[in-house]
Amino acid sequence: QITLKESGPTLVKPTQTLTLTCTFSGFSLSTSGVAVGWIRQPPGKALEWLALIYWDDDKRYSPSLKSRLSITKDTSKNQVFLTMTNMDPVDTATYYCAHVPGQPAVDYWGQGTLVTVSS
Amino acid sequence: NFVLAQPHSVSESPGKTVTISCTRSSGSIATNYVQWYQQRPGSAPTTVIYEDNQRPSGVPDRFSGSIDSSSNSASLTISGLETEDEADYYCQSYDTSILWVFGGGTKLTVL
Repeated sequence: QITLKESGPTLVKPTQTLTLTCTFSGFSLSTSGVAVGWIRQPPGKALEWLALIYWDDDKRYSPSLKSRLSITKDTSKNQVFLTMTNMDPVDTATYYCAHVPGQPAVDYWGQGTLVTVSS
Repeated sequence: NFVLAQPHSVSESPGKTVTISCTRSSGSIATNYVQWYQQRPGSAPTTVIYEDNQRPSGVPDRFSGSIDSSSNSASLTISGLETEDEADYYCQSYDTSILWVFGGGTKLTVL
């Protein structure tokens, strides 16, 4: 059974750096083709794709946020990390991590974690 | 990059059939698979269609997906509507560089 859970601060100040952790079970990020992605959703708004990291450490980033994002993994701990610099109130959102089995699609989602950016 | 355009909202009665469209602004809709996600209020999304028309196990066969190259769009059709189908639905695809795009979402009301 695949599960993913996001963790990190619920409140960050403007200009700070956000680091989120996705801890997963039921699969290995060393399996060929597998990836973990991050997607966010501001309150009342649409889903927005942020980043992907593949089993072979290949990475993809949203073009509009690429300069602020970094995605890394610790395969031995079954964890993926997302760092977003220079946080702004518009970055207030629920952040989801997700399992990507091969094709660029999600089959399992985490429960999400709400991050509020406010001074 | 391209945009996936969805109607903001649709509504239909229980037992009826509804179709939600997702139109790709540039590039062929047939080039890269389209997925559909359902999000009920207060919950994380779940996958209802992947690879254009494939249903994950556990998703009722009332849900179906298709693509239409003539209109460069994908569609999610839900037949035999039930009140539990009331949710937001998002389409998602990607480009040749594997950069993802989500549609703006469609709110389905079953009234």
